[in-house]
Amino acid sequence: GENVEQHPSTLSVQEGDSAVIKCTYSDSASNYFPWYKQELGKRPQLIIDIRSNVGEKKDQRIAVTLNKTAKHFSLHITETQPEDSAVYFCAASGSGGFKTIFGAGTRLFVKA
Amino acid sequence: EAQVTQNPRYLITVTGKKLTVTCSQNMNHEYMSWYRQDPGLGLRQIYYSMNVEVTDKGDVPEGYKVSRKEKRNFPLILESPSPNQTSLYFCASSLGGGAYEQYFGPGTRLTVT
Repeated sequence: GENVEQHPSTLSVQEGDSAVIKCTYSDSASNYFPWYKQELGKRPQLIIDIRSNVGEKKDQRIAVTLNKTAKHFSLHITETQPEDSAVYFCAASGSGGFKTIFGAGTRLFVKA
Repeated sequence: EAQVTQNPRYLITVTGKKLTVTCSQNMNHEYMSWYRQDPGLGLRQIYYSMNVEVTDKGDVPEGYKVSRKEKRNFPLILESPSPNQTSLYFCASSLGGGAYEQYFGPGTRLTVT
């Protein structure tokens, strides 16, 4: 079946450094790729998303890139801050847009 | 305030005792979905609904039932819960399908002994 692989599972960076999380997907019909942030004990919340007709999207310190040929997309966080510490999930949906497959998550630690 | 609500937030039950977790949204969203979250496995989709009376299976539907009789409500039913259904459950809704931002409820932590 369809799946989304996410790496790394854990990432530790120093405050001010950049963090990169990578995902690959298997369903070539996928056309929407969101990223969700989940703080400890909270619900997941969307931080950025990208659609298949766009290669890159940026929102302040956060950017997402998509390579449809290689079927992978990445989240880039620059100038990390302690409040960026959380679990990040990538996801892919398509094939009519009804089913959503999430990656296993990346726990990001930003050390002050 | 636009929101997705779930009840109960915490539930401890015994094997085989039927239970229902309610989910409600006030954003007039057509799409609603249930996920379970387990350590190391991320969020796995259980069932989703594209509109009233229209539901379909996600990746892990075994042991669960859903219904969508009203647009705002999407309850998750466990007819005979088992310990392997111990998990954190999230309901979510979106404007139209999985290709839009999903708004998640606060989660329901279920323990089946």
